[in-house]
Amino acid sequence: DTEVTQTPKHLVMGMTNKKSLKCEQHMGHRAMYWYKQKAKKPPELMFVYSYEKLSINESVPSRFSPECPNSSLLNLHLHALQPEDSALYLCASSQGFGTYGYTFGSGTRLTVV
Amino acid sequence: GIQVEQSPPDLILQEGANSTLRCNFSDSVNNLQWFHQNPWGQLINLFYIPSGTKQNGRLSATTVATERYSLLYISSSQTTDSGVYFCAVAPGGQNFVFGPGTRLSVLP
Repeated sequence: DTEVTQTPKHLVMGMTNKKSLKCEQHMGHRAMYWYKQKAKKPPELMFVYSYEKLSINESVPSRFSPECPNSSLLNLHLHALQPEDSALYLCASSQGFGTYGYTFGSGTRLTVV
Repeated sequence: GIQVEQSPPDLILQEGANSTLRCNFSDSVNNLQWFHQNPWGQLINLFYIPSGTKQNGRLSATTVATERYSLLYISSSQTTDSGVYFCAVAPGGQNFVFGPGTRLSVLP
């Protein structure tokens, strides 16, 4: 298995809702990442997990809460989002942090209404 | 932090044409990767190429780490090559930083 699987592919949520994005990989990678991408911009790093521990938080607002329950799974919990949080959310994994190449999932396109 | 530039920012080609995309970076890197983002948002890994030359079908890439640049060659372009091409670089022990991308449109 050489894929990173993200669900759901599309999500529409209200500003008072709570939702979660899910990311899964079975390549034995020990680093996992959340990126946010706005239209016509490159992906921007949000969080890095290395060996299931949060190692980087790029000053992301607390309405985004990451979780890494095990080495294969990464979640992003969303609560009280704003319309400007609408974006493509991408998950990636690599063998180790900052090493080798990254494999990206197909993303979740989030719309906050 | 490290700066990454990509050129050209936009490129329009007729199907069958060849092209060269360039990535310049401001500091030494241990890792460099080229991605293609298709119109549906999927980021597809093209090459992991911190140095040297690699080829995969109609695509090839060369990184000259000592001169801080990488080139992506696309030959005999097809409409399915359309999308945005990103270069991402990582200094040692640090996360990848993405360039701004080259937006490619291949016309039939």
